[in-house]
Amino acid sequence: LAKTTQPISMDSYEGQEVNITCSHNNIATNDYITWYQQFPSQGPRFIIQGYKTKVTNEVASLFIPADRKSSTLSLPRVSLSDTAVYYCLVGASSNTGKLIFGQGTTLQVKP
Amino acid sequence: GAVVSQHPSWVICKSGTSVKIECRSLDFQATTMFWYRQFPKQSLMLMATSNEGSKATYEQGVEKDKFLINHASLTLSTLTVTSAHPEDSSFYICSADGRQETQYFGPGTRLLVL
Repeated sequence: LAKTTQPISMDSYEGQEVNITCSHNNIATNDYITWYQQFPSQGPRFIIQGYKTKVTNEVASLFIPADRKSSTLSLPRVSLSDTAVYYCLVGASSNTGKLIFGQGTTLQVKP
Repeated sequence: GAVVSQHPSWVICKSGTSVKIECRSLDFQATTMFWYRQFPKQSLMLMATSNEGSKATYEQGVEKDKFLINHASLTLSTLTVTSAHPEDSSFYICSADGRQETQYFGPGTRLLVL
């Protein structure tokens, strides 16, 4: 199962772009990369998923280099409401569908 | 689409009692659901995998006789915390398996055992 490593915490200011990088050196061929957001006392919420190159949706972009050993979640123009914990997950396909959560990155957006 | 609900959202019980938590996939069928536990300031910890029509698979260190899981239909899985004790107080979250490794999470259930 691919282990992920993310920064424990990040600070930003409103209106800035935030990039959170996750390393997953032993990602398997069939593994997707999925990012979730969690607010206190709530279940995680799906943000974005990708396999390779770049994926963009209405809330974020996900950049994946050719070797797929890392990925970067990009949040454009963050607001105070983006303060949350962000989890990068890899490897459910090679682990009977199970997701193993790492510590995640606590993003604090300041006014 | 892909909404997962949990009931109750919070529960307070006395030590020694049993508590049942329901997890429902509202607009899709889920052959596999997962149960997690989360303590304050910590990440989610996978407890077990719930498969419709078969026995749950528990993670190492999780007592299957204490945390009873039943997945009786394609839209419902239940977690029963038997003989709950204060150390079982936690935030319990379920998820349902979606496509392409995506899981859809419920809102969580806060359990407080007095």
